[in-house]
Amino acid sequence: DADVTQTPRNRITKTGKRIMLECSQTKGHDRMYWYRQDPGLGLRLIYYSFDVKDINKGEISDGYSVSRQAQAKFSLSLESAIPNQTALYFCATSDYTSGAYKGTQYFGPGTRLTVL
Amino acid sequence: QQQVKQSPQSLIVQKGGISIINCAYENTAFDYFPWYQQFPGKGPALLIAIRPDVSEKKEGRFTISFNKSAKQFSLHIMDSQPGDSATYFCAASYSFASGGSYIPTFGRGTSLIVHP
Repeated sequence: DADVTQTPRNRITKTGKRIMLECSQTKGHDRMYWYRQDPGLGLRLIYYSFDVKDINKGEISDGYSVSRQAQAKFSLSLESAIPNQTALYFCATSDYTSGAYKGTQYFGPGTRLTVL
Repeated sequence: QQQVKQSPQSLIVQKGGISIINCAYENTAFDYFPWYQQFPGKGPALLIAIRPDVSEKKEGRFTISFNKSAKQFSLHIMDSQPGDSATYFCAASYSFASGGSYIPTFGRGTSLIVHP
């Protein structure tokens, strides 16, 4: 979905390095999420934010941190990357205020992260 | 704890055949059951969804069948086409009224390949 953008799209880094993945959205949605996708494990929630002042841990937050810089921007950081954080990372948004179902997730194109 | 169990993990179907993906859930508070479709290199996107007050929902070649008593729901793809080759995720969520937050719990995904 072009309304949710992620940068970078691909990243190779080394163990111990700090890395930031960025997400921006033009959908005007208040809620933003970070997911991790691994083969056979599906989509697992890392962190979510219901508004700029609200940050919540998801299922697998250890080793990650986030920052909600504005309604439209939500970044994910790996303070000290390790190989088992190699995965596909997705940012998503949802709209709590519209008539559509409030839980529908709108995903970005993903960032493929490789930690050597 | 896996609240939404999805099977099979992979599925190969011939063109024109029927693809069937099954999901089972545990939390009876779930009140919304979407399916997401993910093409390679893309983020998941909402395909079709159902609420528990109906037993079936059809949109084109895609049908969700829902069995509330068995806590199971399934996606049927009729006349499967090579363009349907993708990963499919089932999910379940529930609203604030039921103590939830609308955030979906995803199944682990099914990789569907439709041979020409």
